[in-house]
Amino acid sequence: AQSVAQPEDQVNVAEGNPLTVKCTYSVSGNPYLFWYVQYPNRGLQFLLKYITGDNLVKGSYGFEAEFNKSQTSFHLKKPSALVSDSALYFCAVRDMMRLTGGGNKLTFGTGTQLKVEL
Amino acid sequence: SAVISQKPSRDICQRGTSLTIQCQVDSQVTMMFWYRQQPGQSLTLIATANQGSEATYESGFVIDKFPISRPNLTFSTLTVSNLSPEDSSIYLCSVEWSANTGELFFGEGSRLTVL
Repeated sequence: AQSVAQPEDQVNVAEGNPLTVKCTYSVSGNPYLFWYVQYPNRGLQFLLKYITGDNLVKGSYGFEAEFNKSQTSFHLKKPSALVSDSALYFCAVRDMMRLTGGGNKLTFGTGTQLKVEL
Repeated sequence: SAVISQKPSRDICQRGTSLTIQCQVDSQVTMMFWYRQQPGQSLTLIATANQGSEATYESGFVIDKFPISRPNLTFSTLTVSNLSPEDSSIYLCSVEWSANTGELFFGEGSRLTVL
């Protein structure tokens, strides 16, 4: 079974400082990894994904994430946080080996609330 | 990317009634997914809806409680039946835009409150 862990319920950062939101995963095959953001009273918005290739992927709003196979991690990062980045962030994984057929579901972590303060 | 519209965006329902949520996509898609997000919790997959076949339900979800229709490649409905306060959640429709990427796009969600 595939799973995702986001060890921090909340991350607090001062505006202008770098931010990191942690994510580790477990799959039987090779992972497709995603980050989504949810603003209050909104649906989920796609931020970025890792499928294959370069371990550092860049996404929307200046966010990036680094895939680390040995540590089974996919931490979300941004060099300089903005107050407008405050939202709920979800890491998610799909197992590439099960992308077709009946096992292609996206499994989400529990979410990390990011709070960026002035 | 896909544009996904959900109706209603929010509703308040009485215990024992049912609510049907509609999901409309601006393009034809093969796979549609229905998720539930309970207050303060993560997203849980309810079922996968493919056009022309019965929906596939995840463990803990049954068709009698969450009947799903998928009449064509751009539309699906999720009904939450015999409502109880425990059904108060956000229900999200999502679509797989490209099977090669595994990426999902989500609607804005339907916030249900059961009194």
